[in-house]
Amino acid sequence: GAVVSQHPSWVICKSGTSVKIECRSLDFQATTMFWYRQFPKQSLMLMATSNEGSKATYEQGVEKDKFLINHASLTLSTLTVTSAHPEDSSFYICSADRVNGYTFGSGTRLTVV
Amino acid sequence: GESVGLHLPTLSVQEGDNSIINCAYSNSASDYFIWYKQESGKGPQFIIDIRSNMDKRQGQRVTVLLNKTVKHLSLQIAATQPGDSAVYFCAENIKGRAGTALIFGKGTTLSVSS
Repeated sequence: GAVVSQHPSWVICKSGTSVKIECRSLDFQATTMFWYRQFPKQSLMLMATSNEGSKATYEQGVEKDKFLINHASLTLSTLTVTSAHPEDSSFYICSADRVNGYTFGSGTRLTVV
Repeated sequence: GESVGLHLPTLSVQEGDNSIINCAYSNSASDYFIWYKQESGKGPQFIIDIRSNMDKRQGQRVTVLLNKTVKHLSLQIAATQPGDSAVYFCAENIKGRAGTALIFGKGTTLSVSS
């Protein structure tokens, strides 16, 4: 079946540094990918829609200069959290849109110290 | 903006009981709904989906019911097992629009005791 690989599964970084999270579709091409953020005991909140070869579309309240999204190929989308702060600590999940449904990555636990 | 919501945040059942998890959605344009199961520290796992031209769909031990009149969705789990303990989310999508994201509800924590 369709698999989305998300890496890393967890990362700890210092305040002020940047962290890149990768989302790869392993056996299919993903024209569109989505990035979600999930705080503890809360739901998944859509951050942005990533389209291959074009600029991402960000949801209201999500800073595009802080959460940089790149979707340079049909199998890879990346989310870079720039100048990370402790309040950015969260669980980040990517998803790919396929013809017959959605596939989710396993998530990245980001902890900013 | 509009979002999917849930009636109950937690549900505790005994092993073998049937579980019913509810969801209310507010976007009348939504025509595709999915239930997901999420275990701690993992991504959402697909359970079952339903389109708006249906009011019921059954899978293995699970049934999804859709009531468009009152914008209500439910997930029924038969003979609930300890392995069913997780957080359950409903999600909605306007499938007619290509590249449209899923919008998730708040989630219900299902706790199954043996």
